[in-house]
Amino acid sequence: RKEVEQDPGPFNVPEGATVAFNCTYSNSASQSFFWYRQDCRKEPKLLMSVYSSGNEDGRFTAQLNRASQYISLLIRDSKLSDSATYLCVVISATGANSKLTFGKGITLSVRP
Amino acid sequence: EPEVTQTPSHQVTQMGQEVILRCVPISNHLYFYWYRQILGQKVEFLVSFYNNEISEKSEIFDDQFSVERPDGSNFTLKIRSTKLEDSAMYFCASSLAARGDTQYFGPGTRLTVL
Repeated sequence: RKEVEQDPGPFNVPEGATVAFNCTYSNSASQSFFWYRQDCRKEPKLLMSVYSSGNEDGRFTAQLNRASQYISLLIRDSKLSDSATYLCVVISATGANSKLTFGKGITLSVRP
Repeated sequence: EPEVTQTPSHQVTQMGQEVILRCVPISNHLYFYWYRQILGQKVEFLVSFYNNEISEKSEIFDDQFSVERPDGSNFTLKIRSTKLEDSAMYFCASSLAARGDTQYFGPGTRLTVL
């Protein structure tokens, strides 16, 4: 089983749509969870951290289910500017540092 | 807003040549990382660095790779003898603390090995 596995894509949705992305992770010792956003040929940028209680940031809602080792991201009222690749990222802290383990990403295209 | 910078933005080299990729992490950060992304593939961890030594490295980070913090600001990745399969985007990242702290990425260096 891959360390971090994301839904296959791409997603192509109209403006205003609600879209949900899912992600599973294999290491039950994983400690921290994030969604990053990556635009074409650019660096990954932190979108939001994911907490066990679930968290919301404007139109974005992230959920974590530790028992099922499952993370989700919900985007409401999609905008054209949301078009990007969304990366599920997990940290399994070892030693003094924490390496980020990335999923392959899922590409979202929002059309007018 | 402070940011991680990387130079050059694009490096073209011949197979077998040595390359050095440079990064300037955010000034008060203590933990430094290199990742790579082969075109069309996922971002992969290479190495983490703290207190002037390697903390963790992946299987990709073999003897051809080395990292250094030659002064108080730069963090470099050296590839001793490049191979075609080293062609990728290389991202530097830094964080203030470890264990789940946010890592901030630089814009990357696109390495093309011919």
